[in-house]
Amino acid sequence: TQLLEQSPQFLSIQEGENLTVYCNSSSVFSSLQWYRQEPGEGPVLLVTVVTGGEVKKLKRLTFQFGDARKDSSLHITAAQPGDTGLYLCAGRGSTGNQFYFGTGTSLTVIP
Amino acid sequence: DTGVSQDPRHKITKRGQNVTFRCDPISEHNRLYWYRQTLGQGPEFLTYFQNEAQLEKSRLLSDRFSAERPKGSFSTLEIQRTEQGDSAMYLCASSFSTDFTDTQYFGPGTRLTVL
Repeated sequence: TQLLEQSPQFLSIQEGENLTVYCNSSSVFSSLQWYRQEPGEGPVLLVTVVTGGEVKKLKRLTFQFGDARKDSSLHITAAQPGDTGLYLCAGRGSTGNQFYFGTGTSLTVIP
Repeated sequence: DTGVSQDPRHKITKRGQNVTFRCDPISEHNRLYWYRQTLGQGPEFLTYFQNEAQLEKSRLLSDRFSAERPKGSFSTLEIQRTEQGDSAMYLCASSFSTDFTDTQYFGPGTRLTVL
């Protein structure tokens, strides 16, 4: 069962535009990770957030963990064609070591 | 550090055949995870090991699936009597348990096609 819902599911934007991807759940997670995946490859870790309300920046990418540790967002500024890919959030359950992945957001940045 | 490797990268088999996949984790990582991913979906957890012990298994892991990590290093995932519904990308990830966040690093995956 997927406990994390991502929106939008698909996003196609022009180079230079900004975008935000959302990851929502009714469950609390002890940590949350964002990955980017290219076709035919495994997911590549972008960031891990742990503390409620935490904000992390990675160049043009800004990640935020919700205060209640149930949701997260990824904001990309001035998107580039190299940002194209499937963006996945994954939450670590508050008990055990199982990770739950979101449904994914497929981003296409048009040059 | 060569990262997580998986073999083979692609496997095509006929329905009813058995297949086995291998995962070699990052050398110092003691946790190893298996996931299944179908097109357009996020990865679904199958099972995980800490060292050689299999600690959690998903309900998705039917009795046709078995995973081993005999020496706490590489792992194998075997699917017996494959069905067309088993067609998917099988991903392996590893992590280090003393890392509070248990950050997982993924391999490139094995793409299984069952005809």
